[in-house]
Amino acid sequence: GESVGLHLPTLSVQEGDNSIINCAYSNSASDYFIWYKQESGKGPQFIIDIRSNMDKRQGQRVTVLLNKTVKHLSLQIAATQPGDSAVYFCAENMGTSYDKVIFGPGTSLSVIP
Amino acid sequence: EAQVTQNPRYLITVTGKKLTVTCSQNMNHEYMSWYRQDPGLGLRQIYYSMNVEVTDKGDVPEGYKVSRKEKRNFPLILESPSPNQTSLYFCASSFSGAAFDTQYFGPGTRLTVL
Repeated sequence: GESVGLHLPTLSVQEGDNSIINCAYSNSASDYFIWYKQESGKGPQFIIDIRSNMDKRQGQRVTVLLNKTVKHLSLQIAATQPGDSAVYFCAENMGTSYDKVIFGPGTSLSVIP
Repeated sequence: EAQVTQNPRYLITVTGKKLTVTCSQNMNHEYMSWYRQDPGLGLRQIYYSMNVEVTDKGDVPEGYKVSRKEKRNFPLILESPSPNQTSLYFCASSFSGAAFDTQYFGPGTRLTVL
């Protein structure tokens, strides 16, 4: 959801462990959610998305969970690898009457070899 | 290769000197958008375009202009840059609107206004 902060949340995990990155969204009318990964010096890259008629969606090593009751989104990365080190952003569409998305502040994931 | 390209990648300029950052996509996308990214603030939308000759303000449009004369190009214009426009800028595109479809981002343009 839309939030402003001075400090980027960070998460450090051991290589091979599972990672869970959380995101609280702000608008109960939002019906499309996306997770992006941004590596240092690059633009955000799509990881996985989910629509509000689902509560779980799986990709390759990634799973997104959506809890509409508490407006919470999570990204789970299985068997985290050094290449997963990046900043992860969630985004919500604020409802289909608005043609834009709002990005969260991001979470920095560091993988310890 | 399907991609969004931006030029220049890095730019240092002085206050008041007009500049244009170009953006081009080769995926025949309808929707294009500009964002700025600042530490701790995430990505904030500047302007977006649903199609040729259709543009709309995002959350932080002040001090910026855009145009969409062709489907593939969406330049960002700073008529009179100021130091508070020092930022990392991303162009993005998608098949349909951002509310429905994932966006593909360019590599970014780091702008410094002295």
